[in-house]
Amino acid sequence: IAGITQAPTSQILAAGRRMTLRCTQDMRHNAMYWYRQDLGLGLRLIHYSNTAGTTGKGEVPDGYSVSRANTDDFPLTLASAVPSQTSVYFCASRQGANYGYTFGSGTRLTVV
Amino acid sequence: SQKIEQNSEALNIQEGKTATLTCNYTNYSPAYLQWYRQDPGRGPVFLLLIRENEKEKRKERLKVTFDTTLKQSLFHITASQPADSATYLCAQWGGGATNKLIFGTGTLLAVQP
Repeated sequence: IAGITQAPTSQILAAGRRMTLRCTQDMRHNAMYWYRQDLGLGLRLIHYSNTAGTTGKGEVPDGYSVSRANTDDFPLTLASAVPSQTSVYFCASRQGANYGYTFGSGTRLTVV
Repeated sequence: SQKIEQNSEALNIQEGKTATLTCNYTNYSPAYLQWYRQDPGRGPVFLLLIRENEKEKRKERLKVTFDTTLKQSLFHITASQPADSATYLCAQWGGGATNKLIFGTGTLLAVQP
């Protein structure tokens, strides 16, 4: 089934540890996005990539980095996790301007 | 800055009635708005996109309107069913090079049988 696969589905992480959230799509979409979702704050954009080889900062990029080596993969890295990064993280992609976003099922991350 | 607002209070309606959810935006005229459905523990699912030059868009039991004068979009579900119970998110295109969406916090719809 075409879509976005995120891994892991959930993780408990010690503060200060490094973590990479994985995101893979099989739809050949050029644009990909990372959002975090927190209660009362909704979905906020962390980083985006309009095409392979390019990335950009979203609304809340501090403490996160991304790479886009190819069309299919868009990993999100937390260099040194802090408790405020406890959230649900969603990866998304888009086919083009006339289309909605396709979201993954999310990664629930708890930093303790 | 761009802002998009949805009623944070849950909407409770009876099965068979029409549910109407509201999305208001300020400080920016988006080229289009999108509506998504999100179930607990799942990612949002795209439902409808409406452009600024479209007054109304329909898809099965769903209808979306876009009023650029009121800076408002209404999302209607006719003949609602308990299976329609979910959180519905409105999103506006943020513009610029990112083509990013700015999401509202969503409205929880509960359809009672």
